Amino acid sequence: GESVGLHLPTLSVQEGDNSIINCAYSNSASDYFIWYKQESGKGPQFIIDIRSNMDKRQGQRVTVLLNKTVKHLSLQIAATQPGDSAVYFCAENSLEYGNKLVFGAGTILRVKS
Amino acid sequence: NAGVMQNPRHLVRRRGQEARLRCSPMKGHSHVYWYRQLPEEGLKFMVYLQKENIIDESGMPKERFSAEFPKEGPSILRIQQVVRGDSAAYFCASSPQGGTRSGNTIYFGEGSWLTVV
Repeated sequence: GESVGLHLPTLSVQEGDNSIINCAYSNSASDYFIWYKQESGKGPQFIIDIRSNMDKRQGQRVTVLLNKTVKHLSLQIAATQPGDSAVYFCAENSLEYGNKLVFGAGTILRVKS
Repeated sequence: NAGVMQNPRHLVRRRGQEARLRCSPMKGHSHVYWYRQLPEEGLKFMVYLQKENIIDESGMPKERFSAEFPKEGPSILRIQQVVRGDSAAYFCASSPQGGTRSGNTIYFGEGSWLTVV
């Protein structure tokens, strides 16, 4: 079935440390992936995306890594700040899904000051 | 540059009433998506629309739920005869012509929180 699993982990990090949020996706045909950040009471905010022809993509303080062999996606946040505290979702897309995204359950990131 | 606009942000309905949620996509976007999020869960796809067309409604419940995106005006998600299980956050998203399969990203609104009492 359609599923992208984050297994509901909660990640607690100290301010200034690097954070790594992981995502296992189930559809080997998925070729487009997006990370979203969702703060309490708000909508998902686009962070970074990556297509399957890439292994790595960098943004401002964030890096997404894609390992198609093991169907694994990760989001790395450098120098984590209190404002990074939120729920992070990965989402996948494939030709099979048309234009819709399939989301995982989310990872809670808590930044300790 | 306004983003995806949703209203109302919060809606309370009694069981059996109707709920109407509205979504205006980002300027220049012609594709609209509706997702539902239950507490502490991920977003579940409901329906994908273009102007005057429902493209994919595979995530919509068979009864009581409907969606439209008319030629003029916002997209509407309508829930008839609401039940407590309909209480959730409903998110609208939009993308430019062609959607994700054409290399476009999907952007979300701030959501409409429905509470059924």
